[in-house]
Amino acid sequence: NAGVTQTPKFQVLKTGQSMTLQCAQDMNHEYMSWYRQDPGMGLRLIHYSVGAGITDQGEVPNGYNVSRSTTEDFPLRLLSAAPSQTSVYFCASSYSLPGDGYTFGSGTRLTVV
Amino acid sequence: DAKTTQPTSMDCAEGRAANLPCNHSTISGNEYVYWYRQIHSQGPQYIIHGLKNNETNEMASLIITEDRKSSTLILPHATLRDTAVYYCIVKIDSNYQLIWGAGTKLIIKP
Repeated sequence: NAGVTQTPKFQVLKTGQSMTLQCAQDMNHEYMSWYRQDPGMGLRLIHYSVGAGITDQGEVPNGYNVSRSTTEDFPLRLLSAAPSQTSVYFCASSYSLPGDGYTFGSGTRLTVV
Repeated sequence: DAKTTQPTSMDCAEGRAANLPCNHSTISGNEYVYWYRQIHSQGPQYIIHGLKNNETNEMASLIITEDRKSSTLILPHATLRDTAVYYCIVKIDSNYQLIWGAGTKLIIKP
């Protein structure tokens, strides 16, 4: 069982560069989310999806885009990286809600210089 | 706003029960209480959730007060591997998205 797989695990970007954080799950989960976590803080919701073709904004969506073309994949795109986007990014998925809760990936540690 | 209040940190002796409190005085009737934990810098791990009744699974027990304004997560026999940040979360919207606070840093001591 792979669960939720995030790539890459670490990334350093220069200000203004763009990149895509990958998230894939093999559990046939409908619900997927992206969170960011800054030092000493809880997670903040960036974008989420309740199924293929359906996405919506969370608490801190500015500077990020998402798409959900398949049930399995939910990539997060940074359009023009800024130092304020230095954070740890977590992807999560769930089969049903409130259900058994979310399964999280191991995170992507992003540094923007 | 996280809508929950938790102590910043707690200690517990190994082998004893760890009781983690959470206040959610503004909880709505249809809002669930979820508990997650995050070990070091790993992805959060789901522990348990409940609406109004007490719940138990292989990891923990969740005790919710009758007025639902507070709850307690109980780890019955804490081990060193239970050292983590524990988050009490109340879902707030119809899409069941989680709003996270800063959590409680639980340290299990030998």
